[in-house]
Amino acid sequence: DTGVSQDPRHKITKRGQNVTFRCDPISEHNRLYWYRQTLGQGPEFLTYFQNEAQLEKSRLLSDRFSAERPKGSFSTLEIQRTEQGDSAMYLCAWVTDTQYFGPGTRLTVL
Amino acid sequence: GENVEQHPSTLSVQEGDSAVIKCTYSDSASNYFPWYKQELGKRPQLIIDIRSNVGEKKDQRIAVTLNKTAKHFSLHITETQPEDSAVYFCAASTSGNTGKLIFGQGTTLQVKP
Repeated sequence: DTGVSQDPRHKITKRGQNVTFRCDPISEHNRLYWYRQTLGQGPEFLTYFQNEAQLEKSRLLSDRFSAERPKGSFSTLEIQRTEQGDSAMYLCAWVTDTQYFGPGTRLTVL
Repeated sequence: GENVEQHPSTLSVQEGDSAVIKCTYSDSASNYFPWYKQELGKRPQLIIDIRSNVGEKKDQRIAVTLNKTAKHFSLHITETQPEDSAVYFCAASTSGNTGKLIFGQGTTLQVKP
């Protein structure tokens, strides 16, 4: 794995619990994206950061979702009061000449 | 907003044959079109991309063509091999290679030995 690491790689939680994912770029990348990928579908844009500023959020990002990128380095994505429909792969992507995806965090909500 | 349609959803070819996957996009402002390959349980990986000022780009057995007038672009894989078997996604962006990507629904390619 190069470029970015994501932690944890897998998360199983019960409905109603809060979860937090982390994305760590290996080197400085000004722009960082979060996508969500459900089984059998393409990745869907959630939000992105230019340095520490969150510049755009998808309508998919309900009030239960929040993302941060303090100091413009690592980023976190928190989901509060998880629902079964939140089960998906959450992908972080960084930008150099194009977008490269991290290994992802697979979330399963029981 | 931008929408990307991808066809076919599944494609089965014999080893050595060619495979073609097609995508159409809705936003005429789209100017960057990458293709990703995703193997089971792994992350999407970029295989080729094209910008709107170019009509065709080739990299060994892989080529992408873009028709801006018709708003569609296609991935061509020649001399397919079993290791080409994977899910392929097209995507489009209106903000170049650094903009958010809108993905197609994916094509599952199976290459039979």
